[in-house]
Amino acid sequence: GAVVSQHPSWVICKSGTSVKIECRSLDFQATTMFWYRQFPKQSLMLMATSNEGSKATYEQGVEKDKFLINHASLTLSTLTVTSAHPEDSSFYICSARKDPNTGELFFGEGSRLTVL
Amino acid sequence: LAKTTQPISMDSYEGQEVNITCSHNNIATNDYITWYQQFPSQGPRFIIQGYKTKVTNEVASLFIPADRKSSTLSLPRVSLSDTAVYYCLVVMYNNNDMRFGAGTRLTVKP
Repeated sequence: GAVVSQHPSWVICKSGTSVKIECRSLDFQATTMFWYRQFPKQSLMLMATSNEGSKATYEQGVEKDKFLINHASLTLSTLTVTSAHPEDSSFYICSARKDPNTGELFFGEGSRLTVL
Repeated sequence: LAKTTQPISMDSYEGQEVNITCSHNNIATNDYITWYQQFPSQGPRFIIQGYKTKVTNEVASLFIPADRKSSTLSLPRVSLSDTAVYYCLVVMYNNNDMRFGAGTRLTVKP
């Protein structure tokens, strides 16, 4: 298989601060990465599709100015939650597709954000 | 992307075979069917993928009828550690529409 790593695994921050979450594909190059948010007992909600070297494609209802996504290299995508508020507390998960000719996604471990 | 429908939850006992069915009535010719497993506070893990008929790997089997409007994930002889949420995702090759459905919460009891 392939490995996708997220950092940090968990973060606690004060309301109004910004938090950056990194997603790295450790052993393959990922042209496209996906960012999800998951609330307790709910399914994964796709937030945006991150494309290397270009702007991310955001899902309807996801504020692009609040959730900044940068995909500057083929192995790294970052999600920055700006001016975080308690309602942004959630489990954020990234994934990447190693081979566009398969449906297999490789997921990171997830990052749990708690905003106080 | 073909919308998927799965049972919200299922219960089973250790040692039993579990079959989870996913409906995807609007599946297109170029769509493939994938299944993922997710444990609490972890990212999902790919289980199996198929296009038609039957696919088997060391973890599970995937049965897809001729019309491809549904698929069944079969987990042989489940154990307590198979308690998880299972997601069916229909994917088109070279298409990046990766929205998940609600998933099925499987609980395996001793």
